[in-house]
Amino acid sequence: EAGVTQFPSHSVIEKGQTVTLRCDPISGHDNLYWYRRVMGKEIKFLLHFVKESKQDESGMPNNRFLAERTGGTYSTLKVQPAELEDSGVYFCASSQGYSNSPLHFGNGTRLTVT
Amino acid sequence: AQSVTQPDIHITVSEGASLELRCNYSYGATPYLFWYVQSPGQGLQLLLKYFSGDTLVQGIKGFEAEFKRSQSSFNLRKPSVHWSDAAEYFCAVYNAGNMLTFGGGTRLMVKP
Repeated sequence: EAGVTQFPSHSVIEKGQTVTLRCDPISGHDNLYWYRRVMGKEIKFLLHFVKESKQDESGMPNNRFLAERTGGTYSTLKVQPAELEDSGVYFCASSQGYSNSPLHFGNGTRLTVT
Repeated sequence: AQSVTQPDIHITVSEGASLELRCNYSYGATPYLFWYVQSPGQGLQLLLKYFSGDTLVQGIKGFEAEFKRSQSSFNLRKPSVHWSDAAEYFCAVYNAGNMLTFGGGTRLMVKP
């Protein structure tokens, strides 16, 4: 089966610009997660979708970040406007619907804001 | 809330030597614990997990980990390291709602 796919793999933008990251989960996985690793820090949870609904968005840093999952399939994470501190690697993961099912991660998108 | 600590930021071992990466967690009940590995340019790959039962769990690539409740630890081990094991390793614990809390990671370098 195809794994979790993230696009783009790298993005370099200037401060104040907008960037949209995309994640295609494993087919049939109801749960979709976004995580972020800022340079030198831990991997931090951003938010969790169950199908198209936001289950938990407690990790979203501020209102410059907007995540959507239309139709319960792929998800996008938009950063508008981007700031320098948004630089890092953004990981997407998906899992099946049962409790404690393992998370499958994508390769991540490395975002650099200059 | 649960937390995970990986005391070693960097570890260097010689190829063929044994390896142990430390992980300590903070959680009141029985934790669900994981080890992930990130190789250069790759995503996070699940090495192994512990939910319950036998406290010694086997994973992929010859790795194993032992859950020790008395020490709040879940250390990762491998008897003989290969150069391809050079990567960053992350210990993680489940929070409510299938949310993972990660440790800071341990970067493993392998000397020839």
